[in-house]
Amino acid sequence: AQSVTQPDIHITVSEGASLELRCNYSYGATPYLFWYVQSPGQGLQLLLKYFSGDTLVQGIKGFEAEFKRSQSSFNLRKPSVHWSDAAEYFCAVGASNFGNEKLTFGTGTRLTIIP
Amino acid sequence: DAGVIQSPRHEVTEMGQEVTLRCKPISGHDYLFWYRQTMMRGLELLIYFNNNVPIDDSGMPEDRFSAKMPNASFSTLKIQPSEPRDSAVYFCASSRGGRYNEQFFGPGTRLTVL
Repeated sequence: AQSVTQPDIHITVSEGASLELRCNYSYGATPYLFWYVQSPGQGLQLLLKYFSGDTLVQGIKGFEAEFKRSQSSFNLRKPSVHWSDAAEYFCAVGASNFGNEKLTFGTGTRLTIIP
Repeated sequence: DAGVIQSPRHEVTEMGQEVTLRCKPISGHDYLFWYRQTMMRGLELLIYFNNNVPIDDSGMPEDRFSAKMPNASFSTLKIQPSEPRDSAVYFCASSRGGRYNEQFFGPGTRLTVL
């Protein structure tokens, strides 16, 4: 079974600074990887996803993530954060076997932006 | 287009009562997911449907939980009887076409069981 670890529960970053949120996965084959964002009181929204090909994936809102098979990681990055990026971020993994739509989410990283 | 609609947004009930949460997926989406979010366990998939048929219910915690999807535009998650440990935010999400296409989440139902 697949699993996801987000080692950072809470991160505080100054507005305009760069950001990296960590995600490590466990899965026996090439996984499908996702980053979702949850603003307070709302549901989750997809930022980006990786299925195959180029290991650097571009997403919405200026986010990108890099798949590193050797490290079993899929870290999310943004070069310059905005106050509106304050939210909870979830990494998720899906199995690659056909017909499986089950996503396993990490426990999330809460991002606080300070002026 | 309207997004995923969930009702009620907030529900407070007493232990032992029956609770029914409702979800209307985005029109044209053929997958529907029910999730539960708690501080302790994070976001967990409870069950998902494809074309109104339950595909994977391995995340349903106990027999007290049941989910139905009588048609493409409506699903319910029922807890009977409810217990305080069921207190959580329950999300419904829908997607189209499978292959891990983007899941669109509803705003959630915050359930409090006293």
